[in-house]
This record gives sequence, structure tokens and C-alpha cells, in this order.
Amino acid sequence: DTGVSQDPRHKITKRGQNVTFRCDPISEHNRLYWYRQTLGQGPEFLTYFQNEAQLEKSRLLSDRFSAERPKGSFSTLEIQRTEQGDSAMYLCASSSRDSRVYGYTFGSGTRLTVV
Amino acid sequence: SQQGEEDPQALSIQEGENATMNCSYKTSINNLQWYRQNSGRGLVHLILIRSNEREKHSGRLRVTLDTSKKSSSLLITASRAADTASYFCATVSTGANSKLTFGKGITLSVRP
Repeated sequence: DTGVSQDPRHKITKRGQNVTFRCDPISEHNRLYWYRQTLGQGPEFLTYFQNEAQLEKSRLLSDRFSAERPKGSFSTLEIQRTEQGDSAMYLCASSSRDSRVYGYTFGSGTRLTVV
Repeated sequence: SQQGEEDPQALSIQEGENATMNCSYKTSINNLQWYRQNSGRGLVHLILIRSNEREKHSGRLRVTLDTSKKSSSLLITASRAADTASYFCATVSTGANSKLTFGKGITLSVRP
């Protein structure tokens, strides 16, 4: 297990198209997070899963955004009808129950460009 | 919304010098963490300090926490060119799930 994997690394899409990103967390980690980061800013929380349950969603996650984590393993983040304002780096992170001791492990992110 | 603010926003030092970065936050916390991000990459966890701790060390890193002032500092000693990156503090608020709330980050440049 080499860490948190995100796919694709880069995605360019036309405005109005739908996109889906995938995150494969560290296998022993039951907690999975999605963040969005724009240039020059820190990551902003989008949503959080514990196993397959989505426990919290940010107000940033509009109706066009949906995330799933079937069977508590990998997760997908879908953006429907993309807008230019959705252009950002989308980061996935995972943690175990010991996150209060060891912190999160982040993936390398998916950079979305909406043209 | 972002929890904290780092200070300074940008820091440029010579290799071998120490780098000190500060972070302030707003709410009561369970712990505070520092992360590093190289350009265009994901974040790497550096160090975590719990609310009942005041100082922690890890290699060339030293972090302090003052909960009365709601502030933390990260010291990198004997900096190297490879330390050039953005550094973020992030907090886990008391009573929240384990969600991290990040500041805007500090850009550190270490000149060889």
C-alpha cells in the first residue's frame, strides 16, 4: 500500500460537462475526506466519510456535487454541469482512528480546469 | 471557512538559517497540525501537537502551542533548499469530528 491514490491527476473539461474523480485511501483507514484548494489558498473542507457513511458536507458542496464511498473503500466525487469556478485542485485524504495522533495522509490531488 | 491565519505569508531565508512560522486560530481545538505542500502536489503531514501539549520536536522541526493565545509556531532549524515549499497549519476543533480546518499557508523559500 503506497498511500492515497487519486485519479486522474489532471482533468480539463468544457463548461457544462460532468466530471468524476476517484480516490483510493490507505486500506486500513476508515475515514476519508475531500478538500478543494484554489491557487494561493489553503484546502477547504468539502465532505467526510466514516466507512461508507457520509457524516458531514460543507456548504461549499452545492447540489451539483455528489460524493460516494460504496462499501467503505474507494470514493468518488462527481461534479455535474461544471462551471469555471469549479477549477481547483481536489484533494483526498484518509485517516485511521489514530488521526488525532498521526494526522492525515493526502493524495497528490486532481487538478480540474474548466474551460 | 478557514480557521487560522499564518504569519508571515511569505518568508525567504538563506540555507542554514532557521525559519519560524506562526499560526493563529479562532476556536477551541483538540489538536493542531502542520503540513507541507510542494508546488502542485498533495500535502505531507509534518507534526501534530495536542491541546494539552506545549512543545513538540521531530527532527529539525519544533512546534509550540499556546492555547491561551490560540497560537502556534513552527521552527525549522538549519534550513535546506529542499525545505522550499508552502506550509499550512490546520486544526481539529473540540467536539467536531476529525475534520481539519486549514489556514492560507506560508510560502517558504530557502536560497542555496
